Amino acid sequence: EAGVTQSPTHLIKTRGQQATLRCSPISGHTSVYWYQQALGLGLQFLLWYDEGEERNRGNFPPRFSGRQFPNYSSELNVNALELEDSALYLCASSPKGKYSGNTIYFGEGSWLTVV
Amino acid sequence: AQSVTQLGSHVSVSEGALVLLRCNYSSSVPPYLFWYVQYPNQGLQLLLKYTTGATLVKGINGFEAEFKKSETSFHLTKPSAHMSDAAEYFCAVSDPGGSYIPTFGRGTSLIVHP
Repeated sequence: EAGVTQSPTHLIKTRGQQATLRCSPISGHTSVYWYQQALGLGLQFLLWYDEGEERNRGNFPPRFSGRQFPNYSSELNVNALELEDSALYLCASSPKGKYSGNTIYFGEGSWLTVV
Repeated sequence: AQSVTQLGSHVSVSEGALVLLRCNYSSSVPPYLFWYVQYPNQGLQLLLKYTTGATLVKGINGFEAEFKKSETSFHLTKPSAHMSDAAEYFCAVSDPGGSYIPTFGRGTSLIVHP
């Protein structure tokens, strides 16, 4: 069974541009989470989608946005890129049902470099 | 609000020595607790988790952790370190009645010397 897949693996953008990152959850999973992992800061929660709806967002500016499609895949958009947006962006998925004990399964991440 | 503190951004052990990675949490209710491992250039993989029941939890690769409510801790241990254990380890907490979003610590890098 395929795990969480993310694309692209690496992305280099110029300050001010837009970046789009994509995520396909594990088959049967309806929740998708996005985390930013910047050097030395651990994982910072960005967004949570469940069954097509945005359920929660972390303490990030509105230029970080995303959506979840009917097939539960998701994309993360970052507008007006800033140098400090350079980080590993991790997508994770979890099974259907709102249960805090659910394990969330991570993809390998997309490295975004802003120059 | 819940939070996680991982003591020590780096822990260095010799191969064969005991591994102890510390995690303390802050939560208004008994939380669910997780340990994840991240190998270089990879995503995070679940090592073990505590939800309810036995407070000593065994995970993959010989790791285990014990939930101690009185100490608000969930330290990760392994009796004998192996070179392949070198990785970043993250403790996470979620609120059983809350937002379904795990909060992660900043991570501890485990270095294993031959």
